[in-house]
Amino acid sequence: GENVEQHPSTLSVQEGDSAVIKCTYSDSASNYFPWYKQELGKRPQLIIDIRSNVGEKKDQRIAVTLNKTAKHFSLHITETQPEDSAVYFCAAHTDSWGKFQFGAGTQVVVTP
Amino acid sequence: ETGVTQTPRHLVMGMTNKKSLKCEQHLGHNAMYWYKQSAKKPLELMFVYSLEERVENNSVPSRFSPECPNSSHLFLHLHTLQPEDSALYLCASSQDARNEKLFFGSGTQLSVL
Repeated sequence: GENVEQHPSTLSVQEGDSAVIKCTYSDSASNYFPWYKQELGKRPQLIIDIRSNVGEKKDQRIAVTLNKTAKHFSLHITETQPEDSAVYFCAAHTDSWGKFQFGAGTQVVVTP
Repeated sequence: ETGVTQTPRHLVMGMTNKKSLKCEQHLGHNAMYWYKQSAKKPLELMFVYSLEERVENNSVPSRFSPECPNSSHLFLHLHTLQPEDSALYLCASSQDARNEKLFFGSGTQLSVL
């Protein structure tokens, strides 16, 4: 079936360095790609999203890039801080009833 | 409280128990969802409700029974669960069932003994 592959599953970075998480999707009809951040014991929260007609989007220290031809999209976090430590998961959405495919998540640990 | 609220936050139950999870959204949304979140696995969509009508049932075992009495409230009734059902159960809402912007609750961490 349709799915989203997310890598890596864990990522440890030094404070101030950059972190990159990659997702690959299979459904060519996917047209919306959100990223969620989930801190321990808290709800997933949308941090950034991108639509299929855009190649890149940036919001302060986070950015998302989309390669429609290769069917992959990536989350970039620059100048990482300890509060960036969380699980991040990607998703791909198609125009249908609640049709999201989610990645399995990446545990990001930012060490001081 | 604004947003999506779930109760209880934690639940421990035996395999013969009957319990219910509750979700309430204060966003004026028309669609509500139940997701199962297991460690290191993608979120699994269980049920979708649009204007109190179930529009999606992802082959979920009958021991999980959803109920949506109105567009602001969603329940998940649990009966005769198995240990492998232990997981975080997340409720979410969106403006409507085709809208991409999901707002999640904090979840109920369920342990089945």
